[in-house]
Amino acid sequence: EVQLVASGGGLVQPGESLRLSCAASGFTFSSYWMSWVRQAPGKGLEWVANIKQDGSEKYYVDSVKGRFTISRDNAKNSLYLQMNSLRAEDTAVYYCAKLASSSWYWDYWGQGTLVTVSS
Amino acid sequence: SFELTQPPSVSVSPGQTASITCSGDKLGDKYVCWYQQKPGQSPVVVIYQDNNRPSGIPERFSGSNSGNTATLTISGSQAMDEADYYCQAWGSSTAVFGGGTKLTVL
Repeated sequence: EVQLVASGGGLVQPGESLRLSCAASGFTFSSYWMSWVRQAPGKGLEWVANIKQDGSEKYYVDSVKGRFTISRDNAKNSLYLQMNSLRAEDTAVYYCAKLASSSWYWDYWGQGTLVTVSS
Repeated sequence: SFELTQPPSVSVSPGQTASITCSGDKLGDKYVCWYQQKPGQSPVVVIYQDNNRPSGIPERFSGSNSGNTATLTISGSQAMDEADYYCQAWGSSTAVFGGGTKLTVL
């Protein structure tokens, strides 16, 4: 059974940093692109970042470029999102998600972890 | 970057057909996915590559995409289909979601 368990969310002040983690199991983690997708309270879905199987390619939504870094550790079956210079508008539930191999859709999603940026 | 536009809400009677549209410039040139999200739950894909259903998704869900508009159709809508629906497409390795449509079955 595929499982994606996100963790690391919490309450931080504007300008601070936070690192999210996503523990993957039930599939060959190193064979798939992975993503972070977020959802602000009461709002829609917003794609945040993608990372290739070996970490050699990374893509970000414009609003987080230069502040967020997606990474992975295939030996630990883990995905990460380092978030720096956090802003109030980054407040959201952050989902890690697995991209299907050939069809570029998210076939599995984690349960999400809530990040709240507030003073 | 491009934008995807969805109606904020759609209502349908049980057993009837619901259609949710997603519009964007030359959207027909891209593949569109549709995600269903129920309150407090993570999204679930119901259609990928315009008109393909993943295993486990009921046959009443179908999709189409042509010109500037993609459409998710739910034939014989059921109460369990009440949810938020999001269209999504890719552009230059970046993903874009529509704003979402709340489907009410009443």
